[in-house]
Amino acid sequence: GAGVSQTPSNKVTEKGKYVELRCDPISGHTALYWYRQSLGQGPEFLIYFQGTGAADDSGLPNDRFFAVRPEGSVSTLKIQRTERGDSAVYLCASSPDRVDTGELFFGEGSRLTVL
Amino acid sequence: KQEVTQIPAALSVPEGENLVLNCSFTDSAIYNLQWFRQDPGKGLTSLLLIQSSQREQTSGRLNASLDKSSGRSTLYIAASQPGDSATYLCAVLMDSSYKLIFGSGTRLLVRP
Repeated sequence: GAGVSQTPSNKVTEKGKYVELRCDPISGHTALYWYRQSLGQGPEFLIYFQGTGAADDSGLPNDRFFAVRPEGSVSTLKIQRTERGDSAVYLCASSPDRVDTGELFFGEGSRLTVL
Repeated sequence: KQEVTQIPAALSVPEGENLVLNCSFTDSAIYNLQWFRQDPGKGLTSLLLIQSSQREQTSGRLNASLDKSSGRSTLYIAASQPGDSATYLCAVLMDSSYKLIFGSGTRLLVRP
């Protein structure tokens, strides 16, 4: 596609529910990142994929969070047993290769609200 | 641990003013530094990327400088316009890393 696409743009859920957030990167981009942005803060790193594998998942806050990228393109961030503190904007970004080779292209984010 | 700080947190200026946004970082072992723009409810758009070996980058009315040894970068916006109103974020990439570390941003309002 023309840019990084994220769905849903908004998600409201109840505490304890399961949530999936989807990211469709720019075609051909091998590197994919998930960041989380709380209100009034800068984005914080969650996980980095190079191809199909999670090269670094050290930013995932706990084992309720999991992400996959089975075919090296679309990625899904999965959150189990959601808590109110999970409320944030989840941003996905992609780049042709590693981020140090050029720009990082961000999607518009998925705003998650946990009631 | 790298920490990125942006001052001021918010800024309101009349149209036409030249302005400077500041970014500081605690660990000078950076690979590059980027400035991003974020409009409300939107993603981030990369404005300027400065490699650690560079001192500045320019794009149109924007100029970003980098002083790696002192841990500082500035984003200069000339002849500000209402359309420049947005949040500006700086982010650093550390040597041997791929994680961008962001500041909290400066919220800019340019009044007509």
